[in-house]
Amino acid sequence: NAGVTQTPKFQVLKTGQSMTLQCAQDMNHNSMYWYRQDPGMGLRLIYYSASEGTTDKGEVPNGYNVSRLNKREFSLRLESAAPSQTSVYFCASSKQGIWVDGELFFGEGSRLTVL
Amino acid sequence: KQEVTQIPAALSVPEGENLVLNCSFTDSAIYNLQWFRQDPGKGLTSLLLIQSSQREQTSGRLNASLDKSSGRSTLYIAASQPGDSATYLCAVGPVTDKLIFGTGTRLQVFP
Repeated sequence: NAGVTQTPKFQVLKTGQSMTLQCAQDMNHNSMYWYRQDPGMGLRLIYYSASEGTTDKGEVPNGYNVSRLNKREFSLRLESAAPSQTSVYFCASSKQGIWVDGELFFGEGSRLTVL
Repeated sequence: KQEVTQIPAALSVPEGENLVLNCSFTDSAIYNLQWFRQDPGKGLTSLLLIQSSQREQTSGRLNASLDKSSGRSTLYIAASQPGDSATYLCAVGPVTDKLIFGTGTRLQVFP
């Protein structure tokens, strides 16, 4: 089973460039999430989508946009990358939502460096 | 604001030891608490989920307890093995809508 798949796994950008991180899940989950992980900061929620057609800001949304393309796919876009966005990005999904059944399934991460 | 702390940040033990990882949180009004495992360069894998009405959950050699009144959870690993080496994160969630993660405990089990 593929679970949660993220692409690309690695990316290097120059300041000001744009890019989109892709995420797809094959578990028929309703809710999807984008987190970033930074040393000493833990995981922080960027955006989430409780169900197809809805998106909401998380803890650190500035500089990012998201699209819930369909039930399977949830993309994260950096319109004008900044060095502060250098991080490891994780996509996650859950069946109903973290406040209902709770269990999150994570992708393997996308490592982004902004020069 | 909910804050989640994990102490120690790193732990190194010999194979076979029983060990306890700690997770503390500041706001006892939680819905659930999860423990995750993260291997280097990989994503997080959910280990145990404890609902706020539960006191503990067990899976194999792992046992997680929850004491909301004291704002604490512990992850007990019995008979540790080198394959248990990883970073263990706890996440508290949520009364509102997002999990709050601790920064993790990096565990090394040496033969």
